[in-house]
Amino acid sequence: QSVLTQPPSVSAAPGQKVTISCSGSSSNIGINFVSWYQQLPGTAPKLLIYENNKRPSGIPDRFSGSKSGTSATLGITGLQTGDEADYYCGTWDSSLSAWVFGGGTKLTVL
Amino acid sequence: QVHLVQSGAEVKKPGASVRVSCKASGYTFTTYPMNWVRQAPGQRLEWMGWINAGNGNTKYSQKFQGRVTITSDTSASTVYMELSSLRSEDTAVYYCARGGVVAGLVWGQGTLVTVSS
Repeated sequence: QSVLTQPPSVSAAPGQKVTISCSGSSSNIGINFVSWYQQLPGTAPKLLIYENNKRPSGIPDRFSGSKSGTSATLGITGLQTGDEADYYCGTWDSSLSAWVFGGGTKLTVL
Repeated sequence: QVHLVQSGAEVKKPGASVRVSCKASGYTFTTYPMNWVRQAPGQRLEWMGWINAGNGNTKYSQKFQGRVTITSDTSASTVYMELSSLRSEDTAVYYCARGGVVAGLVWGQGTLVTVSS
């Protein structure tokens, strides 16, 4: 069982918006930055969001992140078929002294 | 541009050890920690440990403590992860990932380790 909880799957039509939630606790999301990763089929994870809501260079502004209390959210607007991937949230857990990740959310663009 | 290049796929027998390398380029090697994260088939990401590339200090997940060793060669900008006493459940893709909780993780391409008799 993952320390961070994500919905197993989400879906939406091309051009629409989707949000993916990530629920944690006071020892991880509650006190540490959250990052988000996109994993296209058969490839390594790619950093999408860091420090809760910042995008590395090259990541389009269709991707956004937010955090409130012990939960974080990834938003994707203007969905494209190329966005179909698994999305993971991650952060440091200060009680476990370890990085923890969500179980991943599979995005389907219908 | 940050670039992490890992060594190639490995096939090992149960009880053996495996060493995976990760060569970094595109940034000052000693200024970021390097993590190792694995992903078993169809499973979530699992953090194994990290090394402070500047001073060599390490921290390991309790799950892998005693079985994993992470080292670095600053002259070669390369980090190594060795996992011992392999079992079938260790079959996974192993990733190196640069960074920490502030900067987020930038990932290598992954190395498939298969444990099979």
